[in-house]
Amino acid sequence: AQKVTQAQTEISVVEKEDVTLDCVYETRDTTYYLFWYKQPPSGELVFLIRRNSFDEQNEISGRYSWNFQKSTSSFNFTITASQVVDSAVYFCALDSSNTGKLIFGQGTTLQVKP
Amino acid sequence: DGGITQSPKYLFRKEGQNVTLSCEQNLNHDAMYWYRQDPGQGLRLIYYSQIVNDFQKGDIAEGYSVSREKKESFPLTVTSAQKNPTAFYLCASRWGNTNTEAFFGQGTRLTVV
Repeated sequence: AQKVTQAQTEISVVEKEDVTLDCVYETRDTTYYLFWYKQPPSGELVFLIRRNSFDEQNEISGRYSWNFQKSTSSFNFTITASQVVDSAVYFCALDSSNTGKLIFGQGTTLQVKP
Repeated sequence: DGGITQSPKYLFRKEGQNVTLSCEQNLNHDAMYWYRQDPGQGLRLIYYSQIVNDFQKGDIAEGYSVSREKKESFPLTVTSAQKNPTAFYLCASRWGNTNTEAFFGQGTRLTVV
């Protein structure tokens, strides 16, 4: 069975702090894809990044960075120098190439205070 | 502009009534999905369809039904059998089995009154 766990329900930081959102996944497939999405108050999910199971290179995009570790089944997301506009709900998701299902975690609500 | 359109944005339903949520996409995507979002439970998959005239149950399909008669449309019916339908419903679409990112609509908030 596939499962995504985001253990942090809510995180509150002060602007300019760094923050890491955790994501742990479970799958028996050898080929799979991991995603991060951002959900602002408007409700529509916005795609941030996709990673396949064969590429463990970390990725950096501006203030965002992602750490993928197969050994611990984790795909963590770090925001450096957080800003108020980063306040949103963040979702981690898992897709198995065998089923076409796209499974999401419970989400982490990030509040960045000025 | 290409995208996914969900309508209506807000929907009120009386207990015992069926209601249909609309989802239309003009992205030429093969796969479409319906999710339910409740506080603290994230997004839970209701139904998904990878091709026209075919769909599969997700993790919480009971009390819901769907159809996929056209590639661009994937309506969701919340039936009276769904015991707790009040929630935020999100529709998504993406290219077939290529594991690409999904595009989401703006959601429909359903309230049972």
